[in-house]
Amino acid sequence: GAGVSQSPSNKVTEKGKDVELRCDPISGHTALYWYRQSLGQGLEFLIYFQGNSAPDKSGLPSDRFSAERTGGSVSTLTIQRTQQEDSAVYLCASSLAASGYTFGSGTRLTVV
Amino acid sequence: RKEVEQDPGPFNVPEGATVAFNCTYSNSASQSFFWYRQDCRKEPKLLMSVYSSGNEDGRFTAQLNRASQYISLLIRDSKLSDSATYLCVVNQGGSNYKLTFGKGTLLTVNP
Repeated sequence: GAGVSQSPSNKVTEKGKDVELRCDPISGHTALYWYRQSLGQGLEFLIYFQGNSAPDKSGLPSDRFSAERTGGSVSTLTIQRTQQEDSAVYLCASSLAASGYTFGSGTRLTVV
Repeated sequence: RKEVEQDPGPFNVPEGATVAFNCTYSNSASQSFFWYRQDCRKEPKLLMSVYSSGNEDGRFTAQLNRASQYISLLIRDSKLSDSATYLCVVNQGGSNYKLTFGKGTLLTVNP
């Protein structure tokens, strides 16, 4: 597609459940990023995939968070045993080389 | 020192005013610089890249001072539609494409 596509756009889950968030980057973009943004806060880096290199996982807040990128394209961010503090907007972005990112419209996750 | 630091504002200006935002960054190896705009409950969108020689796009002018590790954005003749949060963004340098975002400066342009 023309832009970065994320699904679902909204997700409400019960505390303790696992969730999967999906990101479809712009075709041909070699780099893919996950960030999250809590209400009124700045963007918090989570993980970064660049080509075939090992991902930069330095921003993942705990071992309940994991992500994979299959075939250099679609990425899935998984949060296990969700907690209320995981509630945020999860933003995916992709880029070609060192150009600016294009963001998807995000997944708004609410843990109740 | 925070990686990317901005005045959070809010800036409240009348239509037609000129407003300037400043940003400092801590990583001297950074090579790519951007301003993003984020509307309420929307994703950030690239406003403009910032080049060493300074660059202009219509009413928007961006400048970079590498020696002081300082970036600025000037908006002339403010419009109501300029109301948004403006994010200063810096890369990690080298072959790392990862960007670090400032927390943003909130601008409200009033009629």
